[in-house]
Amino acid sequence: GAGVSQTPSNKVTEKGKYVELRCDPISGHTALYWYRQSLGQGPEFLIYFQGTGAADDSGLPNDRFFAVRPEGSVSTLKIQRTERGDSAVYLCASSFGGRNTDTQYFGPGTRLTVL
Amino acid sequence: KNQVEQSPQSLIILEGKNCTLQCNYTVSPFSNLRWYKQDTGRGPVSLTIMTFSENTKSNGRYTATLDADTKQSSLHITASQLSDSASYICVVSARNGNQFYFGTGTSLTVIP
Repeated sequence: GAGVSQTPSNKVTEKGKYVELRCDPISGHTALYWYRQSLGQGPEFLIYFQGTGAADDSGLPNDRFFAVRPEGSVSTLKIQRTERGDSAVYLCASSFGGRNTDTQYFGPGTRLTVL
Repeated sequence: KNQVEQSPQSLIILEGKNCTLQCNYTVSPFSNLRWYKQDTGRGPVSLTIMTFSENTKSNGRYTATLDADTKQSSLHITASQLSDSASYICVVSARNGNQFYFGTGTSLTVIP
């Protein structure tokens, strides 16, 4: 596709449920990032993939959060036992390489609401 | 602690006027600084990127400045348009690793 896509665009779930958020990066981009953005705040780093491997997962808030990128393209962010505090917009970005000077292209985000 | 602070938090200006947004950071060792524009309900879009040796960068009506000594950056918007209404986010990255430190953004509203 022309840009980064994320699905679903909106997800409403109940406290304690499991959710999966999907990111399709720009074709050929080796680096993929997940961020979480709360209302009125800037994005907060969660995890960075270079290819299939998680090069930096230091931003994941706890072990309920997990992300995979098995074939080095599509990535899935998985949240177990969701809590109301997990409600936020989850943004995905990709870049051609993994250098921090490479431009990151963001998707539109998935708005997660935990009731 | 690596932090990025932006001011003002929000700003309302008349169409056609100029404005300047500020960004102060403590990220070290510094690698580069970006300004992003984020429209409501969309992901951020990169406007400019500056490395240590650059002190000004323009992109159309947007001009960013960087003072690496004082760790300050500004984004100047000239002849504002209604479509400039968005959140403008300053992002700083460090040379060690691939983490990006985001400011909380300045919400700009341009009114006719």
